[in-house]
Amino acid sequence: NAGVTQTPKFQVLKTGQSMTLQCAQDMNHEYMSWYRQDPGMGLRLIHYSVGAGITDQGEVPNGYNVSRSTTEDFPLRLLSAAPSQTSVYFCASSRDRYNQPQHFGDGTRLSIL
Amino acid sequence: EDKVVQSPLSLVVHEGDTVTLNCSYEVTNFRSLLWYKQEKKAPTFLFMLTSSGIEKKSGRLSSILDKKELFSILNITATQTGDSAIYLCAVDHAGKSTFGDGTTLTVKP
Repeated sequence: NAGVTQTPKFQVLKTGQSMTLQCAQDMNHEYMSWYRQDPGMGLRLIHYSVGAGITDQGEVPNGYNVSRSTTEDFPLRLLSAAPSQTSVYFCASSRDRYNQPQHFGDGTRLSIL
Repeated sequence: EDKVVQSPLSLVVHEGDTVTLNCSYEVTNFRSLLWYKQEKKAPTFLFMLTSSGIEKKSGRLSSILDKKELFSILNITATQTGDSAIYLCAVDHAGKSTFGDGTTLTVKP
């Protein structure tokens, strides 16, 4: 019973590099989302998806892309990493977008030098 | 602008104390308010509240929502060191969630 799986757990990048954070869930959830968490702050929504083929922007989408080609996977792409993107990234899923608690992955700690 | 504000930002208590954590919100199209507990890694779900005045309870933890005054409280009685964590409040609205900055609770032996 894996739940939400994020890879990698840690990553160090240089400014300007690109990379993809992976997120997969095995609960057949329709709704998936990406958040970033900075020290002393709560979670800020980057992008979300209400189902395969549908994505939308959250509160802080600049510098990030997403796609949802399958129900299970929701990768987050950093196009050109910047030090301001140093953060802990969480992926979450829920059965649908209406009144459902989210299940979170263990996070990816990303440092941009 | 959608906003969720938690208070206090941090709290230090001793085992056995009772604590009350606050969450106020201003959002459009409110659907529900959720509380999560975050220890070392991923937040884990505690409560979801959709109706005013109905208390949700799980062991020593309880929560209630006031939709007229736009706030919720999370109570923890007889605190234990294992309750030390960040407590996050999130409001679901218009199909997405807005989180507060969290309350860091430290329970000393």
